[in-house]
Amino acid sequence: AQSVTQPDIHITVSEGASLELRCNYSYGATPYLFWYVQSPGQGLQLLLKYFSGDTLVQGIKGFEAEFKRSQSSFNLRKPSVHWSDAAEYFCAVGAGNQGGKLIFGQGTELSVKP
Amino acid sequence: DAGVTQSPTHLIKTRGQQVTLRCSPKSGHDTVSWYQQALGQGPQFIFQYYEEEERQRGNFPDRFSGHQFPNYSSELNVNALLLGDSALYLCASRFRTGGAGTDTQYFGPGTRLTVL
Repeated sequence: AQSVTQPDIHITVSEGASLELRCNYSYGATPYLFWYVQSPGQGLQLLLKYFSGDTLVQGIKGFEAEFKRSQSSFNLRKPSVHWSDAAEYFCAVGAGNQGGKLIFGQGTELSVKP
Repeated sequence: DAGVTQSPTHLIKTRGQQVTLRCSPKSGHDTVSWYQQALGQGPQFIFQYYEEEERQRGNFPDRFSGHQFPNYSSELNVNALLLGDSALYLCASRFRTGGAGTDTQYFGPGTRLTVL
């Protein structure tokens, strides 16, 4: 069955520190992978996506993610976190052969200490 | 360029009632999907509409139904509301370029439904 696991429910980092949010997926075919961010009471904003090609993808707001097929992972990284990055982060896999259905992980809540 | 819009923003209903939520897709998009996001959870796929027909459906009961209009806007209807239907309902739109799953879904701000 297709699934996405985000092992960390809540992470706290200091402003200026580096960040890595973990995401593991289970999907039979070539996955289409996404990271979305959600601020309180808001919808989802796309940070970045992976469809094929270079396994290191760059996104908005200084985020990047690396696709590792051998580990079934798509971890999100940022070298220096800003207080405005505090939000909920969701990893998702697109069920490509089913027309765009997204399967989301449970989310990781990021808190940033001053 | 207008993004995905949803109405209303918030809604309070009582058990057993029916509710209709509305979504206008991003300009140029022709496919609309609906997701339910319970508190503290990731969004769950309800269904997707394209060419005014339901094309895919998630694991939701028949109380959840939808419609897509010729202008690509969409409605989500929920009948016989239960307390467990309280959630943020998100609409997402995309343009079906033919590469299924390769295009990007853009989300609206959501409708917060509270069932008392």
